[in-house]
Amino acid sequence: AQSVTQPDIHITVSEGASLELRCNYSYGATPYLFWYVQSPGQGLQLLLKYFSGDTLVQGIKGFEAEFKRSQSSFNLRKPSVHWSDAAEYFCAVGAYTGFQKLVFGTGTRLLVSP
Amino acid sequence: DVKVTQSSRYLVKRTGEKVFLECVQDMDHENMFWYRQDPGLGLRLIYFSYDVKMKEKGDIPEGYSVSREKKERFSLILESASTNQTSMYLCASSGWGRVTGELFFGEGSRLTVL
Repeated sequence: AQSVTQPDIHITVSEGASLELRCNYSYGATPYLFWYVQSPGQGLQLLLKYFSGDTLVQGIKGFEAEFKRSQSSFNLRKPSVHWSDAAEYFCAVGAYTGFQKLVFGTGTRLLVSP
Repeated sequence: DVKVTQSSRYLVKRTGEKVFLECVQDMDHENMFWYRQDPGLGLRLIYFSYDVKMKEKGDIPEGYSVSREKKERFSLILESASTNQTSMYLCASSGWGRVTGELFFGEGSRLTVL
């Protein structure tokens, strides 16, 4: 069965600094991978997704993520963080076949300091 | 714009009450999902449905049931609410059939059971 690990519960970054959120997955085949963002009191919004092809994927709001098969990782990056990026970020992995389900990590809460 | 609407944003119920959480999507999606979100645990799948009147258990179905009488509507039912069901409930939908794709989320229903 697939699983996702987000090792950082909280991260604090200064506004304007770069950001990297870590995500490691466990799945036997090539996974579908997603990053979602949740602002306070809101549902989840898709930032980006990887299905196949180019391992560096671009998303909304200036985010990107890189799929590294050898490390079973799909880390999220942003070169310059804005205060509005403060939110909780979830990595998710999906199965290629069978019923459509996503397994989510436990989330990383991003705090942005002035 | 894609829309998943959860009818109640905040509910307060008493132990033993029957609780209905309603979710409607306007995208003609085949698949609908109910997740539960708790701090430190991420999102956990309760039930999902891939067609009208069809349902499948997720990872934590105990204490819950669901109903899907129409394609656009997916209801989560707590037959006898308990305090350990105090949580944020997120509804989602997707239109990729049985292949894992992007989920679209509602804004969530925060349930407190006293």
